[in-house]
Amino acid sequence: EAQVTQNPRYLITVTGKKLTVTCSQNMNHEYMSWYRQDPGLGLRQIYYSMNVEVTDKGDVPEGYKVSRKEKRNFPLILESPSPNQTSLYFCASSTPGQGLRPFEQYFGPGTRLTVT
Amino acid sequence: GQNIDQPTEMTATEGAIVQINCTYQTSGFNGLFWYQQHAGEAPTFLSYNVLDGLEEKGRFSSFLSRSKGYSYLLLKELQMKDSASYLCAVRDLNQAGTALIFGKGTTLSVSS
Repeated sequence: EAQVTQNPRYLITVTGKKLTVTCSQNMNHEYMSWYRQDPGLGLRQIYYSMNVEVTDKGDVPEGYKVSRKEKRNFPLILESPSPNQTSLYFCASSTPGQGLRPFEQYFGPGTRLTVT
Repeated sequence: GQNIDQPTEMTATEGAIVQINCTYQTSGFNGLFWYQQHAGEAPTFLSYNVLDGLEEKGRFSSFLSRSKGYSYLLLKELQMKDSASYLCAVRDLNQAGTALIFGKGTTLSVSS
């Protein structure tokens, strides 16, 4: 089954304690991205990756890091979490949408993070 | 820049028809998407328009006018389970790295 998985699904942590949210996809997609979703603000892109070892900032990258050492995995790292990073996080992977093949984006189930 | 506007909230009753509008401004338009999202869950794909016109998929239809920067999602024979947030998203090829740009979503409440 084609899917994007994220772990953990729920996390409560304290300010300053480093954490990693993992993301994995089994569709051999080159493009992966991370979003955060906050009430009234919608989905905002944090970081994206066009391929292995190729990552770049999205709209709200401050306080986050990512890595792309393998095609299937795209972890999100919060080196020193702060309360304003309390949010619902989604990982997504996408087809390139070239030629006759349409663009398709698949979302993971989400990670609800609370930083106290 | 990009701007995607859709109403914040809408209400409707079971069995009715509702139309959710979306307007957008992009420089490198390459498709408009509608997603459904239930509270706390991941967005799920509903429809995709890249050419002008109406795309029908069961109870849901989506319309696009590229010249007007306008789309709508039409939901027919509303059911209680259609209560959700509906996200309009645009793909902009001139926006480096951004796969999709999302609107803030329209929360639809369906009552009996």
